[in-house]
Amino acid sequence: AQKITQTQPGMFVQEKEAVTLDCTYDTSDPSYGLFWYKQPSSGEMIFLIYQGSYDQQNATEGRYSLNFQKARKSANLVISASQLGDSAMYFCAMREGTASKLTFGTGTRLQVTL
Amino acid sequence: EAGVAQSPRYKIIEKRQSVAFWCNPISGHATLYWYQQILGQGPKLLIQFQNNGVVDDSQLPKDRFSAERLKGVDSTLKIQPAKLEDSAVYLCASSFRGQGYGANVLTFGAGSRLTVL
Repeated sequence: AQKITQTQPGMFVQEKEAVTLDCTYDTSDPSYGLFWYKQPSSGEMIFLIYQGSYDQQNATEGRYSLNFQKARKSANLVISASQLGDSAMYFCAMREGTASKLTFGTGTRLQVTL
Repeated sequence: EAGVAQSPRYKIIEKRQSVAFWCNPISGHATLYWYQQILGQGPKLLIQFQNNGVVDDSQLPKDRFSAERLKGVDSTLKIQPAKLEDSAVYLCASSFRGQGYGANVLTFGAGSRLTVL
């Protein structure tokens, strides 16, 4: 079974609108962390936001927020007020237990239009 | 602080040739990772080092891939002999263990793009 599933290969959003990128995960470990990374065309993976499994509140970082629904095993990324510079690939990733390595999903390509 | 440095950025070789990639992690980051990212896919972990010891190399094709991290700082990933399916971006990342929001976050380099003809 896939540990991280991103079902949206591509998404379009108009500038200044909000967009939600979906991510579901699968783990039996009660302790885990969920990450979102942005990968622009230049190729570098840029860390956006982190949510720990025991965190009571949804994580927020500026225009990024993580909609964490533990019972549904989902960790969707919400980008508010989209900008042209948000056009990129977005990857959801998970760390399990005490391990520090990340397992990534297949990514969602976001295109922001005028 | 300086980021994760990788070189070369691009490499084109013919199949059966060899290639080496170099990575210098962020100063003080004890953990170093090599990921392979094939076009259209998410990164896949090849090997993880903690200081100069291997923590996880379960997905490293050991018949052709090798990696070392001498002195627990920079690292080299080698492919010999290369196959067509090795065409990918090789991403190096580093992290530090600790408490707090920034701990355990992987910081990636710009990657080394390999094309095998």
